[in-house]
Amino acid sequence: QAVVTQETSVTVSPGGTVTLTCGSSTGAVSEGHFPYWFQQKPGQAPRTLIRDVRRKYPWTPARFSGSLLGGRAALTLSGAQPDDEADYYCLLSYNGIRDWVFGGGTKVTVL
Amino acid sequence: EVQLVESGGAMVQPGRSLRLSCTISGFTVGDYGVSWFRQPPGKGLEWVGFIRSRPDGETTEFAPAVEGRFSISGDVSTNAAHLQMNNLRLDDTAVYYCIRGGSGWPFDYGGQGTLVTVSS
Repeated sequence: QAVVTQETSVTVSPGGTVTLTCGSSTGAVSEGHFPYWFQQKPGQAPRTLIRDVRRKYPWTPARFSGSLLGGRAALTLSGAQPDDEADYYCLLSYNGIRDWVFGGGTKVTVL
Repeated sequence: EVQLVESGGAMVQPGRSLRLSCTISGFTVGDYGVSWFRQPPGKGLEWVGFIRSRPDGETTEFAPAVEGRFSISGDVSTNAAHLQMNNLRLDDTAVYYCIRGGSGWPFDYGGQGTLVTVSS
C-alpha cells in the first residue's frame, strides 16, 4: 500500500502564510490522485476543506487554497487566524479510485 | 440538510463482532457512495472502506487492514449504511466516522463518529 507523507507540524504567525504539503511514495502527486484536505480541530470530527487539488466547499474559508507543487499536493493558508489551529490531513486515491490513503496529518499552530 | 449520524459503538472483546450504523438524512442511501474512516486514540485518520452507489453496483472496497473482516451494506428501508466488523482485533480500537462519497461522488458531509473499543 502506498504511503502518504505530510509535515508533522508547522507554526505560523497570526496573519501569516503557511503551505502544507502531501507526497506519495509511488511518485509525483497528480490530479489523478484526487487530493483532498481535511481539517480536524481538537475534540471534533474531521471536515472536508479542499477536494480534487483545489476545489473548495461552500464552507471552506477563502484563506485556504489547494494546488500541486513540486510533485506534491499543497494546502496554503493565507492570513492565518487562531481558529485555524488544527490537524490537517491529506487524502489520496489509488488504483482507479479503489483505494484511499491518508497522510499522517500536520499539526498547525498559530502563534 | 444532509446529516449522517453514527451509532453502535461499544466495548467488545477480541474476536467478537460489531455492527455500526450510519443513519442518513437529506439524501437516500444508494443514490451516493458512503465511506467509513477511523481514528485510533491519539492517532491519525485511516480510510476503512466504501460502498458504491446503486447505479455503480453497490460494490465495496476496503483497506488491507480490514479486508475480509469488515463489510459495508446499505439499507434503504432505514436509510442507513452499516459497517459490519467481524473478528475484531485490539488495533481496531478507534472512533469510526461515516462520510458521503468515496467513489463516483466526492467526499463532503460526514458524521461525528462512534467509539469502538476492543479490549479483553
